[in-house]
Amino acid sequence: GAGVSQSPSNKVTEKGKDVELRCDPISGHTALYWYRQRLGQGLEFLIYFQGNSAPDKSGLPSDRFSAERTGESVSTLTIQRTQQEDSAVYLCASSLYVARGETQYFGPGTRLLVL
Amino acid sequence: QQQVKQSPQSLIVQKGGISIINCAYENTAFDYFPWYQQFPGKGPALLIAIRPDVSEKKEGRFTISFNKSAKQFSLHIMDSQPGDSATYFCAASRNNAGNMLTFGGGTRLMVKP
Repeated sequence: GAGVSQSPSNKVTEKGKDVELRCDPISGHTALYWYRQRLGQGLEFLIYFQGNSAPDKSGLPSDRFSAERTGESVSTLTIQRTQQEDSAVYLCASSLYVARGETQYFGPGTRLLVL
Repeated sequence: QQQVKQSPQSLIVQKGGISIINCAYENTAFDYFPWYQQFPGKGPALLIAIRPDVSEKKEGRFTISFNKSAKQFSLHIMDSQPGDSATYFCAASRNNAGNMLTFGGGTRLMVKP
């Protein structure tokens, strides 16, 4: 019944390490989106999943980024060989359908700091 | 390529005043224009949204004005309150592109008591 949840809430890692971020969407929501928010900037689209369709990966900045979703539930965003420029807040959103005007509900984000 | 440009970056308004935030877009295929409100440490939350077939939408103290020919839209907050202090993002999406949102850069609003 709760909103979108994300874990961990904060992650500090060393350059070159891999990280995995988790998103639990609202139950029953078929669409799931990942966005990145750099400090003081707007959100950048990364990837979205719609049901069992192939994900739209058009926003992923490099092949170090990948994401998976299990059915219509949990999603994980993986960043391999992290770089300092990957430091940002990673936000997940879900919506009931992919339709014009369908509200996207955002989680609180995972704050990633790459040292 | 910044498809949605937002201004100003920051805004200070006295309590009771009107806050105005402007956005301009480039892609005429956009067909949905939401505004999101974000408090520190929280994810953005939908505030109000408009479709291009209307020129204005009002919900309580919040109004969106939309100018399709100029490819601009704005958020007006009437009788601004200290609790409105937050970062506001305009956004745009296309139904035939998965509805992923293209966001403006954000406006940090501070309402002084």
